[in-house]
Amino acid sequence: DVKVTQSSRYLVKRTGEKVFLECVQDMDHENMFWYRQDPGLGLRLIYFSYDVKMKEKGDIPEGYSVSREKKERFSLILESASTNQTSMYLCASSYGPRNSPLHFGNGTRLTVT
Amino acid sequence: QQPVQSPQAVILREGEDAVINCSSSKALYSVHWYRQKHGEAPVFLMILLKGGEQKGHEKISASFNEKKQQSSLYLTASQLSYSGTYFCGRNTQGGSEKLVFGKGTKLTVNP
Repeated sequence: DVKVTQSSRYLVKRTGEKVFLECVQDMDHENMFWYRQDPGLGLRLIYFSYDVKMKEKGDIPEGYSVSREKKERFSLILESASTNQTSMYLCASSYGPRNSPLHFGNGTRLTVT
Repeated sequence: QQPVQSPQAVILREGEDAVINCSSSKALYSVHWYRQKHGEAPVFLMILLKGGEQKGHEKISASFNEKKQQSSLYLTASQLSYSGTYFCGRNTQGGSEKLVFGKGTKLTVNP
């Protein structure tokens, strides 16, 4: 089974801190995704990576950056955390072609105070 | 940018049927369907590619209408285990592998 592991289940940070959310997948998948999930807004794509060091902006990239130095690891970076970034963050990976299913991690609940 | 799902929520009694729709303003290449139970990660149900094919998964099936840029998820003889939030995600024609999801449809199945 594909395993997508997010490093923290819960995280509490202060406004202005630099925050790193880590995601690792163990199936040599080409694609990795970061979504945030908020009530009533569904899953919104922040960033997508289709190869090492390759990335594409999603619908809501403002305030975020990403890093993919190795194929199995995809990091989401909040450069200066703000309260409106309090949310559930979900990482996912897929094999490659557009007919490949996504496999999700269990999520990181981030609270910015 | 997000595909539009309808209805936003639906409540059923066990054994009843439901249809969830997903519409896109952009030309579709593929549509994915996922189910998320409370407190859990979304789980893949099925993928449909352009061409209007219908796919099935137990008593859950889906169709893809290329002309209407729409997909529909059919839940037949619903079971309590079908409760959750259903999300459709779309890839666009000529686009990359990035998948954009709708806002979800919350399905509640009562005994």
